[in-house]
Amino acid sequence: KNQVEQSPQSLIILEGKNCTLQCNYTVSPFSNLRWYKQDTGRGPVSLTIMTFSENTKSNGRYTATLDADTKQSSLHITASQLSDSASYICVVSANDYKLSFGAGTTVTVRA
Amino acid sequence: NAGVTQTPKFQVLKTGQSMTLQCAQDMNHEYMSWYRQDPGMGLRLIHYSVGAGITDQGEVPNGYNVSRSTTEDFPLRLLSAAPSQTSVYFCASSEGAEETQYFGPGTRLLVL
Repeated sequence: KNQVEQSPQSLIILEGKNCTLQCNYTVSPFSNLRWYKQDTGRGPVSLTIMTFSENTKSNGRYTATLDADTKQSSLHITASQLSDSASYICVVSANDYKLSFGAGTTVTVRA
Repeated sequence: NAGVTQTPKFQVLKTGQSMTLQCAQDMNHEYMSWYRQDPGMGLRLIHYSVGAGITDQGEVPNGYNVSRSTTEDFPLRLLSAAPSQTSVYFCASSEGAEETQYFGPGTRLLVL
């Protein structure tokens, strides 16, 4: 069964600090990996999407990395802001277009 | 562009009642899908559509029906609501199955 595991489940960081979220997957055959940001009470919003041949992609202060050999991805948030408080969801797409969603990591940024 | 819109935002139902959750998009996207999101779990696909007139089942389709008569609209019907259907429902659209998905704001459903 295709699975996507995210860690940690939640974390608290101080404003201005950096943090890294992890995503491990067993989806095969792999097509692409996406990171979404979901604010409380809102729908998810796409941050990055990476194919097999891409090992890093940035979107402002968000940088995603992908190691397709070890089936791991990370999302790095640089110089966190209060508006970064949200749930971050890792989504992996298989070649049959089926998407597997992780349960998300909840990030709380404190002033 | 309004993007993806969903109505209602909140709904309370009694067990056995039926209702329709509305979803519309104005981006001319072919691919639309419905998900439910429960605490501690990832989004789970209920039904999806690759174009007008074409629908298919996702991971958790039981108790739900969909139709796609137009490109813009993709309503989700609960046939006979059950407490297990208490959840937050999200509609999403994209240009294709491999493209970035755009999500609506969600509908919070409570079934008593």
